[in-house]
Amino acid sequence: KAGVTQTPRYLIKTRGQQVTLSCSPISGHRSVSWYQQTPGQGLQFLFEYFSETQRNKGNFPGRFSGRQFSNSRSEMNVSTLELGDSALYLCASSLRLIGGAKSSEQYFGPGTRLTVT
Amino acid sequence: AQKITQTQPGMFVQEKEAVTLDCTYDTSDQSYGLFWYKQPSSGEMIFLIYQGSYDEQNATEGRYSLNFQKARKSANLVISASQLGDSAMYFCAMRALIQGAQKLVFGQGTRLTINP
Repeated sequence: KAGVTQTPRYLIKTRGQQVTLSCSPISGHRSVSWYQQTPGQGLQFLFEYFSETQRNKGNFPGRFSGRQFSNSRSEMNVSTLELGDSALYLCASSLRLIGGAKSSEQYFGPGTRLTVT
Repeated sequence: AQKITQTQPGMFVQEKEAVTLDCTYDTSDQSYGLFWYKQPSSGEMIFLIYQGSYDEQNATEGRYSLNFQKARKSANLVISASQLGDSAMYFCAMRALIQGAQKLVFGQGTRLTINP
């Protein structure tokens, strides 16, 4: 069974630009969550999508948005990039929503490393 | 506040020794879940083990076991017979309801180095 895939793996953008990251979950998984990882703040939850709807959201500004398609693939978009957006963005998939039982354990992709200059 | 605390920023262990990584949590929820993840230098987070708050027995997965002490709010990870490939960052996480949203809250991590 193929794991979670994320594209691109590395990205360099300039302040003010926007970026779109893509995540393909494990086949059969309907929940996709996004996380930002930085040395200073650690791992922080961005949002979770399930059946094409955003179900849970972390404390990030509206510049961070996402969507999920009918095949459960998800995209995350960051507009008007700032230097502080430089981070490893991790996507995770699971069978059910966070907050469920054991089957809500999440499987992570390799991440997209975004550098904003 | 829902919080995970990992007090060991780094640990150095000899190969084949057992190692315990500490994790304490704070939650007012009755139902919660605790996870451990491993993050090698490649960046990918690897799920290791899960413990539900109502599980009476400690979870085990191969060389990994979770020492769950509910009254003390601790969920320590024990790795038996450590191997060089165990060198990585280890994160403890808790499923928590925060401001109406379910999310995984992560600790700051422990960097484990296994010496030959």
